[in-house]
Amino acid sequence: DTAVSQTPKYLVTQMGNDKSIKCEQNLGHDTMYWYKQDSKKFLKIMFSYNNKELIINETVPNRFSPKSPDKAHLNLHINSLELGDSAVYFCASSRTLTVNEKLFFGSGTQLSVL
Amino acid sequence: DQQVKQNSPSLSVQEGRISILNCDYTNSMFDYFLWYKKYPAEGPTFLISISSIKDKNEDGRFTVFLNKSAKHLSLHIVPSQPGDSAVYFCAAPHLLLDGKLTFGQGTILTVHP
Repeated sequence: DTAVSQTPKYLVTQMGNDKSIKCEQNLGHDTMYWYKQDSKKFLKIMFSYNNKELIINETVPNRFSPKSPDKAHLNLHINSLELGDSAVYFCASSRTLTVNEKLFFGSGTQLSVL
Repeated sequence: DQQVKQNSPSLSVQEGRISILNCDYTNSMFDYFLWYKKYPAEGPTFLISISSIKDKNEDGRFTVFLNKSAKHLSLHIVPSQPGDSAVYFCAAPHLLLDGKLTFGQGTILTVHP
C-alpha cells in the first residue's frame, strides 16, 4: 500500500485550462503539504494543512486553491493554467506539525502546460 | 535568496569508495537538518537527520556531520553502492514556521560498479 499517493502522475494540458491533482495519505498523519519542484530543481513549499486547517500559504498565486476535505486528503486545484505552472508537484505528509517531523512524499505529478 | 545551498550539482564515485555530499546554509535560525534521497519518478524519502546539539549522526553506512560555525553540513556514504545513485537533498525546517522545510537544489550522485 502506497503511504502517500497522488494522481495523476502526468498531466498535460493547454494554457487557460483548470485542473486538479489529488492526494491521499494512509499514514494517519495530521499534516499535509504541497511542494513544487521547478525547472531549477528546487523544492519549495506551497501550502501546509494541519487537521484540515490551512497553516502555510507561501505566496502562491490565488489561481492555486488547496482543499482538504479530511485530514487524509489534500487536493490542489489550479485555475487558468499558465506556462510557468509547468513543474513537478509533490504532496507530502507528516505525523504532526512540529519542527523536526520528517516528511513522507508522494511520487509527484508532472504538470506540463502547453 | 536561497538559504540552503548544495553547490555541487553532481558527484560521481566508484563503488566501495566514500561519497561526500555537501550543504551550506545561511540562516542562523536553522538548528535541525535532514537529508532526503530521491530516485527518478519517485518522491524524496527521508534518509538521516541531525540536530544542532550534535556534530555527528550515524546510521549504518550514512553519517552526517554538522559544522555550526561554518554553517556547513555533509553527508558521508561509506562504502558507496550502485543503489545509492540518486539525487540527495539537504533540508532545514524553519524554527518559527512549523512545517516549512527549505530544501537545497540537490546533488546527483552516481555510483559506478
